[in-house]
Amino acid sequence: QVQLVQSGAEVKKPGASVRVSCKASGYTFMNYDINWVRQAPGQGLEWLGWMVPYTSKTGYAQKFKDRIIMTRNTSTDTAYMELTSLRSEDTAVYFCARGPHLWPGGVDSWGQGTLVIVSS
Amino acid sequence: QPVLTQPPSASGTPGQRVTISCSGSSSNIGKNYVYWYQQFPGMAPKSLIYKNIQRPSGVPDRFSGSKSGTSASLAISGLRSEDEADYFCATWDDSLNGVVFGGGTKLAVL
Repeated sequence: QVQLVQSGAEVKKPGASVRVSCKASGYTFMNYDINWVRQAPGQGLEWLGWMVPYTSKTGYAQKFKDRIIMTRNTSTDTAYMELTSLRSEDTAVYFCARGPHLWPGGVDSWGQGTLVIVSS
Repeated sequence: QPVLTQPPSASGTPGQRVTISCSGSSSNIGKNYVYWYQQFPGMAPKSLIYKNIQRPSGVPDRFSGSKSGTSASLAISGLRSEDEADYFCATWDDSLNGVVFGGGTKLAVL
């Protein structure tokens, strides 16, 4: 079955960077997009961007484009999201999610989430 | 502020039919597919409706989606206590060149 397993919780200081991993299994990694979505405590969902593993093409939300990088390792079927210059408002649960090419704008499977806490 | 507008809360009694609305604009819902996600506290969201009206396998047919113009709706019929969750709509926005979400609707089953 499709699984997206994310790395563990992180605590970072303001100004630092965080990298979250998302290991895919149960499907052909190269055939589906990977989206990243976050959810601040008690808040709604916010899209960060997406990546096409086959080409490494990325698309970032305007709000994050200057401090986010999405990459992948095709030998381990793992996607990565790095967010730099962290501030307290970046405290959130970060999710990776699989995006079928025939579902433009949508995702069908989600990782379990990674809590990132930004605190001095 | 979320780009898509949802009511913050909705409620119903067991067996009832409830609908949750999602309002957007010509640059998002008006031109693109709408998706609905269900989320329980402390859990990852789950896909409920894709491409406006389709249900992924395993989603009960009590859940249905619709879209008209720049708005969409999620309907839940035969409401059950286990439907108590948060529901989010989402779509692609051509102006923002990204995915946008609604603020979410917390459904209470009274």
